[in-house]
Amino acid sequence: AQRVTQPEKLLSVFKGAPVELKCNYSYSGSPELFWYVQYSRQRLQLLLRHISRESIKGFTADLNKGETSFHLKKPFAQEEDSAMYYCALSILTGGGNKLTFGTGTQLKVEL
Amino acid sequence: GAVVSQHPSRVICKSGTSVKIECRSLDFQATTMFWYRQFPKKSLMLMATSNEGSKATYEQGVEKDKFLINHASLTLSTLTVTSAHPEDSSFYICSARDQGDRASEAFFGQGTRLTVV
Repeated sequence: AQRVTQPEKLLSVFKGAPVELKCNYSYSGSPELFWYVQYSRQRLQLLLRHISRESIKGFTADLNKGETSFHLKKPFAQEEDSAMYYCALSILTGGGNKLTFGTGTQLKVEL
Repeated sequence: GAVVSQHPSRVICKSGTSVKIECRSLDFQATTMFWYRQFPKKSLMLMATSNEGSKATYEQGVEKDKFLINHASLTLSTLTVTSAHPEDSSFYICSARDQGDRASEAFFGQGTRLTVV
């Protein structure tokens, strides 16, 4: 069965320090992976998707099929990056497409 | 971006009653809608996936008779919690995609806080 694992519940870094939020997935097919973010008191929103290969708000994520990972990185953390980050896997099933999330990592950027 | 609206944002109901939560896509047609339950430590559990005009696909362990999902139109899906109990108290979130493509972005509602007393 497909699964998304985010090993860190909380990641605390200082402003200006590099950030890496880990995500590993388990899926036998070709994965479609996303990072979603939830800022305080706001709804979940898309941060980036692997298919776009873009940098959003300074964040990048590279799909590593060999390591089944899709870690989220940013070279210099900003205070406004503090939020809850979710890695998500989208697959096709008999019932249509399905979007499954990891348990999330709370990123706290301290001054 | 596209907007998904959930209603109500908060609801309190008595144990044994049923509660309906609506999820609407305001400016696009949602071919697929997802219902999630968010737990106190913020993890998101996928409950079911619904495609317009067909029966919802429930995740393992989710009681389909308890959590009734209807996706009758391309802009509306409803989740009805039947015979609610205190353990059903939670934060329920819906999301919608405007395409069947699994690489497309999912847009989220603001969530519904259900409290069963």
